Amino acid sequence: NAGVMQNPRHLVRRRGQEARLRCSPMKGHSHVYWYRQLPEEGLKFMVYLQKENIIDESGMPKERFSAEFPKEGPSILRIQQVVRGDSAAYFCASSPTLDTEAFFGQGTRLTVV
Amino acid sequence: GQNIDQPTEMTATEGAIVQINCTYQTSGFNGLFWYQQHAGEAPTFLSYNVLDGLEEKGRFSSFLSRSKGYSYLLLKELQMKDSASYLCAISKDNAGNMLTFGGGTRLMVKP
Repeated sequence: NAGVMQNPRHLVRRRGQEARLRCSPMKGHSHVYWYRQLPEEGLKFMVYLQKENIIDESGMPKERFSAEFPKEGPSILRIQQVVRGDSAAYFCASSPTLDTEAFFGQGTRLTVV
Repeated sequence: GQNIDQPTEMTATEGAIVQINCTYQTSGFNGLFWYQQHAGEAPTFLSYNVLDGLEEKGRFSSFLSRSKGYSYLLLKELQMKDSASYLCAISKDNAGNMLTFGGGTRLMVKP
């Protein structure tokens, strides 16, 4: 059973471009969580999704950021018109139910130049 | 709101015991997690406490006092590979894995 897979591991974007981060949860996991970790800071919750539904996006910036978890395929975190402040590690975690242990992926390190 | 405090850095000696403290204030509580994160890697689950008391798992133990808003992670027989950041996180009522993390404690184990 493969772990949570995130790709790409590293992503470089110029200011103003779009960044797409992918997360394939563990097999049998239908709950996906996205977190952001700024340099030298703790993890910050962004959004919680179940298949085809956004359950809680209270940690997501109101503009430029969106997330989806379609019926088929990985969850996608999309950042439009990236700015330097978006440079961070973005981690995805998945769990089989709401109250069971979540497993984290290796993260995508986004660098905006 | 929620607030979680833990020391920024700690240093300990190989073979020793170290205790990493975490204090929190929250309007709702559904459990406290400890994660280990090596530099550039994913956080790895260590422990989960929802009731007061001590949970032991091999060399690692975690303690929780809900009335005091306090937890600690105890690492025994330290090894060099234990050098990592240790993240304290809390879950609010019905929040499951929507966790609020502290800033993490960077532990350096020296020979």
